Amino acid sequence: DAKTTQPPSMDCAEGRAANLPCNHSTISGNEYVYWYRQIHSQGPQYIIHGLKNNETNEMASLIITEDRKSSTLILPHATLRDTAVYYCIVRAQTGANSKLTFGKGITLSVRP
Amino acid sequence: DSGVTQTPKHLITATGQRVTLRCSPRSGDLSVYWYQQSLDQGLQFLIQYYNGEERAKGNILERFSAQQFPDLHSELNLSSLELGDSALYFCASSTSRTSYFAETQYFGPGTRLLVL
Repeated sequence: DAKTTQPPSMDCAEGRAANLPCNHSTISGNEYVYWYRQIHSQGPQYIIHGLKNNETNEMASLIITEDRKSSTLILPHATLRDTAVYYCIVRAQTGANSKLTFGKGITLSVRP
Repeated sequence: DSGVTQTPKHLITATGQRVTLRCSPRSGDLSVYWYQQSLDQGLQFLIQYYNGEERAKGNILERFSAQQFPDLHSELNLSSLELGDSALYFCASSTSRTSYFAETQYFGPGTRLLVL
């Protein structure tokens, strides 16, 4: 069972920032927050992950609240190619909780 | 391009048949994972291999089996196929410094299986 809750969908205008929320109120101390996206039936694409500090890479930024019960993925300048299903996943890096459990994700639609 | 390759891209077969899906992990990755994505079930973890050994099992049917070869490529065998096995099958790989440490997984483009 997925340990995260995401709204089913959202949209944003091209060129604007897309802020995708995720709730993970039962996250354990050794569990990371991972984000993947899937563009129409392609293989899921890794975006970013973090433990407790905010993270940034060339694709996105990940903001994790201090209590770690929620996080936000930020795509700073959304393009039409960012239209996809975005999955927020909580996982440990060792042991039984290390597998990726995908929920339904959030469908992001970027409009022109 | 994740560096993970899967063949074939598409496969059409009949009920009762057997098929083999192939996956080549990223260079140097020791772990291979298989996932199934159907319309009603979403993305589901099937099985993981680490350096040739089965490491973890998910919702894999007894009609399905997998193996990882010495060159680290993996094959997923699906037998006695049913209509409900029609799905996308993804392979992922990760570096995994040890069998108990699961680093970031990178996914291949998938194989679309259609059972008629």
